Amino acid sequence: AQSVTQLDSQVPVFEEAPVELRCNYSSSVSVYLFWYVQYPNQGLQLLLKYLSGSTLVKGINGFEAEFNKSQTSFHLRKPSVHISDTAEYFCAVSRTGFQKLVFGTGTRLLVSP
Amino acid sequence: EPEVTQTPSHQVTQMGQEVILRCVPISNHLYFYWYRQILGQKVEFLVSFYNNEISEKSEIFDDQFSVERPDGSNFTLKIRSTKLEDSAMYFCASWGSEQYFGPGTRLTVT
Repeated sequence: AQSVTQLDSQVPVFEEAPVELRCNYSSSVSVYLFWYVQYPNQGLQLLLKYLSGSTLVKGINGFEAEFNKSQTSFHLRKPSVHISDTAEYFCAVSRTGFQKLVFGTGTRLLVSP
Repeated sequence: EPEVTQTPSHQVTQMGQEVILRCVPISNHLYFYWYRQILGQKVEFLVSFYNNEISEKSEIFDDQFSVERPDGSNFTLKIRSTKLEDSAMYFCASWGSEQYFGPGTRLTVT
């Protein structure tokens, strides 16, 4: 079975500062990794995904994530955040592209001026 | 851009009543899913559906739950006798090259 740990429930940051949201996963098999964003009262939007290949994955809205197999991590980063990045961010894994997603508990990113 | 749609956006029901949540997945997608998110908690998988049958379900998806694809476009989740703890946001998703999520239906059981 797969599991995902997001250690930070909330990350406050000032506008234009860099941010890293941490995600660690556990699985006995190879997995696909995803980051989703949820804006208030909205559904889940895919930010980026890692399936294979290059360990540095670039997504929408200037976000990127790095897959580290030895540390079983998939941390999300952005070099300069905006107020509009305030949202809940979920890391997720799946065994294949079409199998169920297993989500972490989420990290609330709070960007202040 | 094609999107997953869900109706209603908010459903209030009394405990013990049946509810049907509706979803229209993206038209050429073949895999469909229901997830739920209890307020303040993580998103949890309920069930996946492929080729007109359930391909996987979680422990949450007990006999009170059922899914159906009644026609070529809709995908429904039925809860036969709602409980207070069924109050949650329910998300439908469909898979093309990735899982696309609908905006959710907020179910409130009173």
